[in-house]
Amino acid sequence: DIQMTQSPSSLSASVGDRVTITCRASQNIRSYLNWYQQKPGKAPKILIYAATRLQSGVPSRFSGSGSETNFSLTINSLQPDDFASYYCQQTYTTPGFGPGTKVDV
Amino acid sequence: QVHLVQSEAEVKKPGSSVKVSCKASGGTFSSYAISWVRQAPGQGLEWMGGIIPVLVTPKYAQKFQGRLTVTADDSTTTAYMELTNLTSDDTGMYFCARAYKPGDFYGMDVWGQGTTVIVSS
Repeated sequence: DIQMTQSPSSLSASVGDRVTITCRASQNIRSYLNWYQQKPGKAPKILIYAATRLQSGVPSRFSGSGSETNFSLTINSLQPDDFASYYCQQTYTTPGFGPGTKVDV
Repeated sequence: QVHLVQSEAEVKKPGSSVKVSCKASGGTFSSYAISWVRQAPGQGLEWMGGIIPVLVTPKYAQKFQGRLTVTADDSTTTAYMELTNLTSDDTGMYFCARAYKPGDFYGMDVWGQGTTVIVSS
């Protein structure tokens, strides 16, 4: 199985900050990498698919980069609605999620 | 606009089984992968398994092989997840979710509301 890691596991930030979360795969997954946002008690919401493609309706302050084994999610100018947990997910083989990153104040 | 509606919360005894349904409406059903994702209290997301209804054969995470059965009924556009031999570690929220494009297990853009499963003696 492909193992996914994320860093950091949590971070504290302020409104207006630029935040970057990294995700690493244990083997080459090409660009089969998605990013999700989840708020407590809610279903996850896809932000980025295929490593770099912004899901329709998602604000442009979110962006994804990377390929093969190293990926990142960047939030430019953090907004109050962005305080949440973020997960990467590979779909190159049997799908699997990273452990998550909690972004709080 | 595709919509997924899951069955109600369940309380089960250890050693028993649970079956959760996921009814799709408003879009194409058979060619899009439906996945099941679990979240234990205070923990992260865990992909359990899924199915592309037109292909019939499900795919499972190794951890759940032998204990999980995922099925789909094209006639009612409903997917099902059955987990057997439950323990307290199976307590959590169970989500169904649909891939954003047909044909394989891609990222998931439509999610059900979640079904709480509590396993307790």
